[in-house]
Order: sequence, then C-alpha cells, then structure tokens
Amino acid sequence: EAGVAQSPRYKIIEKRQSVAFWCNPISGHATLYWYQQILGQGPKLLIQFQNNGVVDDSQLPKDRFSAERLKGVDSTLKIQPAKLEDSAVYLCASSPDNSYEQYFGPGTRLTVT
Amino acid sequence: RKEVEQDPGPFNVPEGATVAFNCTYSNSASQSFFWYRQDCRKEPKLLMSVYSSGNEDGRFTAQLNRASQYISLLIRDSKLSDSATYLCVINYGQNFVFGPGTRLSVLP
Repeated sequence: EAGVAQSPRYKIIEKRQSVAFWCNPISGHATLYWYQQILGQGPKLLIQFQNNGVVDDSQLPKDRFSAERLKGVDSTLKIQPAKLEDSAVYLCASSPDNSYEQYFGPGTRLTVT
Repeated sequence: RKEVEQDPGPFNVPEGATVAFNCTYSNSASQSFFWYRQDCRKEPKLLMSVYSSGNEDGRFTAQLNRASQYISLLIRDSKLSDSATYLCVINYGQNFVFGPGTRLSVLP
C-alpha cells in the first residue's frame, strides 16, 4: 500500500514570498491533517479535513495560511506571504474512517530566509 | 499550563535498560491517547494506542491514569534501534494535541 505522498520535500524561500505544499493521502482515507512541526517541538495541528470539508482549522493562521482539499482526495497548503517564523516541517497525515491512527507523509521542510 | 507535557529528556540509557516516560495532559475531556515514535528527520509513526486497562506490545507497555491525567510508556530491554523521540498524543473531540516529545538515546 502506498503511503502518504508530499511534495516538495524541501523548499527555501525569502520572507514575503508565497509557497504551496501538496499532499496525496493514502487511498480511501477520508480524514486528512496538516501539521506544522518547528524544530524541537511536537507537531501542531493546523487543519483537519473530513473528505472535502473542514473539521477543525482553529489553529490555522488564516491571514496568511490557506488550505483546500478539492474532491476529497489531494490537498494543498499555501502560505502567502511567508514569515521567518514559518520555517518548519509541514507534515500531512491521513487516517481511515473510524480510526484515529494517523499515517504521516515524509514532510516538506520549509526554510524562510 | 500546557495542554500536553512530557518528560524533557534526553534520556541516555545503556542497551538492555528499562526506561519509562511520562506524559501529563490538562483536558479532562480527553478521550483517546497514543504514543508515536519519531526518528531524527523522519515523520512520526504510531507506536501504540493507550487503553484504560493498560496494554503491552512486546517490550513496550503503555498505561493510562485518568484520575491523575497522565499516560506512561515503559520500554524494557532497550535496543539501539529504540533511539528516537517519543511523542504522546491526546485526542478530545476532533482535536489532536501532540506533546513536545522525549528523546531517547540507547547507548552500546
């Protein structure tokens, strides 16, 4: 079974630029999560989708971050404009129906200079 | 008080040692509990769920104490391959909160 795919794996941008991350969850997984993990900390949930609807986005900085999951499969997370403090690993995870077990992708390591 | 707190670590133990990590949580409405393992520069992976009655998986034992609002993870007979960061995860409603992690280094 293919795992969660993410791209790009690494991205370096300057502050005030825009960036987008892509995630393809495990086939059939209805729930998709985006996390931000700053070095030395645990992952912080940014947004959770159930199919193509948003379940929780209370910790998403909506003035600069946006996410969508069209057709309930792939998802994109965008940052516009980026700040230095956005430097982190952005992890995507998915889980099947009736399960809280989350399967994580390899993450996108973002560096904002 | 933070929602989820863990032993700060790092824990440096010799091979074969027994080591235990604790995790405390502040939300009494928490429903589900998990331990994840994260290797350096890798993604987290589920190690085990934590059940009210406690549960064991080989060398790993997880326990939950709802009254005191903490969970624990015990690793027996530590292997070099156990070196990683251990993250506790608390779920309530639709929320998942990860702790900051405890780093374990098993030394030869």
